[in-house]
Order: sequence, then C-alpha cells, then structure tokens
Amino acid sequence: DIVMTQSPLSLPVTPGEPASISCRSSQSLHSSGHYYLDWYLKKPGQSPQLLMYLGSNRASGVPDRISGSGSGTDFTLKISRVEAEDVGVYYCMQTLQTPRTFGQGTKVEIK
Amino acid sequence: QVQLQESGPGLVKPSGTLSLTCAVSGASINDSYWWTWVRQPPGKGLEWIGEIYHSGSTNYNPSLKSRVTISVDKSKNQFSLNLSSVTAADTAVYYCVKGGGPWGLGTLVTVSS
Repeated sequence: DIVMTQSPLSLPVTPGEPASISCRSSQSLHSSGHYYLDWYLKKPGQSPQLLMYLGSNRASGVPDRISGSGSGTDFTLKISRVEAEDVGVYYCMQTLQTPRTFGQGTKVEIK
Repeated sequence: QVQLQESGPGLVKPSGTLSLTCAVSGASINDSYWWTWVRQPPGKGLEWIGEIYHSGSTNYNPSLKSRVTISVDKSKNQFSLNLSSVTAADTAVYYCVKGGGPWGLGTLVTVSS
C-alpha cells in the first residue's frame, strides 16, 4: 500500500495570513502525465468535500486562494489568505493505486 | 445536482453483517465513475473500503477484502455495502462517494451487543 504522510497534524492559523500543508507519499504518484493526488476538507459536522484533484486542479466552487502543487512524492496545499470558513481537517488521498489511501489529516483552526 | 444518501441499520451485533445502501440522485449509476465506500471510526482518520464501476468491476481494501462485498442495483440507481463478521473495530461513520465527489452525509454504524 502507498503510505501517505501529512504535516503538520495541527495548524493554528491567523485570518488573513497564509497557510500550507504538506503531504508525502511512499512512492511516486506520477503516471501518464498526471499526479494522482486529491485534497479534501472535512468541515465540522459535514462530510468531506473535494478541493483539488490530480494534484493541482481546483474542484468546482473552490476559491482561487486555495491551490495545490507538487510532484513525485511531495505535494503541498496552500491557502493564500486564511478565512474562518477554512477551518476543519484537511486530507490528502492518493488515487494512483488501490487501495486508495489517505493521509492522517491536518486540523486547521483559528488562533 | 448530484446527491448521495446512505441508509441502513445504525446498530449491528458483533459477528453480524453490516449492510448499507447508497441511493444516488442527479446522476446515473451507469455513468462512468467509481462508486466508493469510505469510513471514519470515531476520533480517527478516513479509511477507503472499496469501489465499484458501473460495469460491476470492484476493488477492495485488502485489510477488509475477505469480509466486504460492494454491489450495484441499476434498477434502483443505488449501490450497496455488505461487511460481514463485524467487531467493535468496525464502528464508524460510513460514507458513500461518487468518484470525484460528492460524498453522502454519512451514517453512523455502531457494532455492539
């Protein structure tokens, strides 16, 4: 199985400031010109919602202050200016192989 | 707007079988997506259970493979999860997911006598 490792696991943020979450995979997620890495946000009391797919593609309705980047085994989710609505637990998930595997989650909360 | 809704018993006895159904609206189960089950035990992270394609092809998590069956009912536009020989470790919120989203609201299943 591909092991996904996120850091940090807890991220206190200040509104208006940037934030960044790292996700590393135990093997390259590159195949056929794509990086098979998705990002999800689980807000309190809600089901997870897709933020980014194939590493750097924003899902429908996701604001452009949220971006994904990376290559090989190292990926990053960045929020250029944190807003109160961004609180929750962020998960990366690899979709290159089955079983699909998730990172442990990064809890983002307002300072 | 695509919506998914899980349904099934909220309480299952140890050694019994957990059975859940996901009703799909706003999309056809025949569409070319992977229809997936994911679970989240209390206080823990997300665990991928398995997926089924409209053709009936399936992939399962090896950690659960011997106990899991995912099936599709095209006439009802829904797909289902069966997990046998459950224990307390199978207590979790179970989500059904359309490939690429959205996710259902989730349903808590508790394994207890």
